[in-house]
Amino acid sequence: AQSVAQPEDQVNVAEGNPLTVKCTYSVSGNPYLFWYVQYPNRGLQFLLKYITGDNLVKGSYGFEAEFNKSQTSFHLKKPSALVSDSALYFCAVMGSARQLTFGSGTQLTVLP
Amino acid sequence: EAEVAQSPRYKITEKSQAVAFWCDPISGHATLYWYRQILGQGPELLVQFQDESVVDDSQLPKDRFSAERLKGVDSTLKIQPAELGDSAMYLCATRDRRNTEAFFGQGTRLTVV
Repeated sequence: AQSVAQPEDQVNVAEGNPLTVKCTYSVSGNPYLFWYVQYPNRGLQFLLKYITGDNLVKGSYGFEAEFNKSQTSFHLKKPSALVSDSALYFCAVMGSARQLTFGSGTQLTVLP
Repeated sequence: EAEVAQSPRYKITEKSQAVAFWCDPISGHATLYWYRQILGQGPELLVQFQDESVVDDSQLPKDRFSAERLKGVDSTLKIQPAELGDSAMYLCATRDRRNTEAFFGQGTRLTVV
């Protein structure tokens, strides 16, 4: 069975500072990895994905994520956080059956 | 920009009543997922369709939940009878054959009273 772990329920960072939201995964075969963001009472919005190729992938709104196969991690990063980045972030993994499994989410709060 | 449409956005129902949710995928998207998201938690897969066929419904409580996608396009998720513990956001997501990312609708927030 595939799974995703997001070890931090809450991440607080000051505006302008770099941010990292952590994610580790477990899946058979080559992973497809995703980050989504959710604002209150809304659906999930796709941010970025890793399928193959460069370990550093870039996505929407200045976000990027680093794939590390040996550590089975896919951490979300941004060099300079904005207050408007405050939201709930979900990491997800897709296996060979194309089932999409999500982590429990990390609430990011960017403090002005 | 094409979107996944869900209705209703909000639904309040009494326990033991029947309730249904509808999802209209982005045109051409063959894969359709229904997720349940309890407040503050991650989405949990209920059922996955490929065209009109169920690929995975192992987490669907089949004694009360049912899902269909008769023509491989739009889909309905039904709960009968609803229980207090069914209060959650129900999310629909769809994906086409070429791309790997799924696109989500705005969800239906169900409150069972």
